[in-house]
This record gives sequence, structure tokens and C-alpha cells, in this order.
Amino acid sequence: DSGVTQTPKHLITATGQRVTLRCSPRSGDLSVYWYQQSLDQGLQFLIHYYNGEERAKGNILERFSAQQFPDLHSELNLSSLELGDSALYFCASSVVGLGNSPLHFGNGTRLTVT
Amino acid sequence: DAKTTQPPSMDCAEGRAANLPCNHSTISGNEYVYWYRQIHSQGPQYIIHGLKNNETNEMASLIITEDRKSSTLILPHATLRDTAVYYCIVVRSGGSNYKLTFGKGTLLTVNP
Repeated sequence: DSGVTQTPKHLITATGQRVTLRCSPRSGDLSVYWYQQSLDQGLQFLIHYYNGEERAKGNILERFSAQQFPDLHSELNLSSLELGDSALYFCASSVVGLGNSPLHFGNGTRLTVT
Repeated sequence: DAKTTQPPSMDCAEGRAANLPCNHSTISGNEYVYWYRQIHSQGPQYIIHGLKNNETNEMASLIITEDRKSSTLILPHATLRDTAVYYCIVVRSGGSNYKLTFGKGTLLTVNP
């Protein structure tokens, strides 16, 4: 158990809809990262938050947004969903956002857009 | 961050050591070598990391060459549960605006 909690585990929704994925980092971790993994694809970095502030962005679509709250949990909002957004979404946390700080991943949210 | 090169797949017999290579010839002096693994559809799992010296923990050993241009992850006694995709990545130390990107990794299959 990594200590990172993601909810829900599974989500099925229709095209055009909006969903929110939630992540609770490990206790004491200030950094939260979001990744997308499509079928048979690698892990694509989406966004990184540190202590409530956005620190780095990857190839995150404009339809996607994220937030890290004062209690350090994070939410990833996906809107105007398309079939191609079906994927595993992973959250990871680390103590700080620096190089000597391993990431610990949750078990992901599997999103299916129909 | 420096790019890494890994073989797409490897096989290992159960109980034997699994040696997974990684090339990172453009690594900078302030970049760490990290290893993660992902068992099918589960969240990636941190294994080990190092800067210059060899490292060992309860899961594995990391051997970094003296010029730091390559490294090897060693699983000393592979089990069937070690079958996974193993990712070698290089992470810059310091700074707060870095992105942790994963390549395609090596699919290690441990055979009975």
C-alpha cells in the first residue's frame, strides 16, 4: 500500500460529460502529480502541484484542469469528455517536488467514456 | 531531463537474478537515476534511486557506472510476482518546475 488514495476506482460516463477524480496524498507529502495512461500506452505526465500551487504542466488538454486544496488533496477535472479520454488516471505524491524525492503512486481511476 | 534507453523486453528464470540495463549517456551531474515498476494496470511502484554510488534496499540493487552513463537494476532472486514493466528515468535535482516523464520501459517476464 503506497498510502496514496484515489477515488473512484472506476468511472463510466458518456461523451460530453464532466467528471472529477480525487486524490489524497500520503501523509506529509506536499507534491501531487497526475498522469494519464491510455490502453497500451506509457504514462503521460499531466500536471504537478506543490503545496497548493501549480508547478509544472505536461500535455494536459484545456478541457482538463486540476487543483490542490489546503488539506493537500487534489482533484482532476475532466470536461467535455471524448471517447479518447478513456484511460487510467494515476495520482502520485512525494514529500517535496525535488529530484531526491521518490514518487508514490495510487492505484488509479479507470475512466471509461462511452 | 536526460533521456534513457532500455531494452523493450527481457526474460528471467524464477529464482535467478534479473539484471535490467538502462543507458542514460546524456545524464548531468545533478540528475538522479530512478527505477519504478508497473504490474499490469496497477499504479507504478518506486523501487530505488541513486546519484553516483551504488544503492541497495530490500527490493533491489542499483549499480551505476563510474561515468554515470548507464546503470543496472538487479533483482537478486526474481519471482513470478516480479513480472512487470520496469522504468528507468532520470530526474533533475533541485528546482521546483520539473516534470517526471516515463519512457516505454522494459517488460520483464519471469518464467517458472
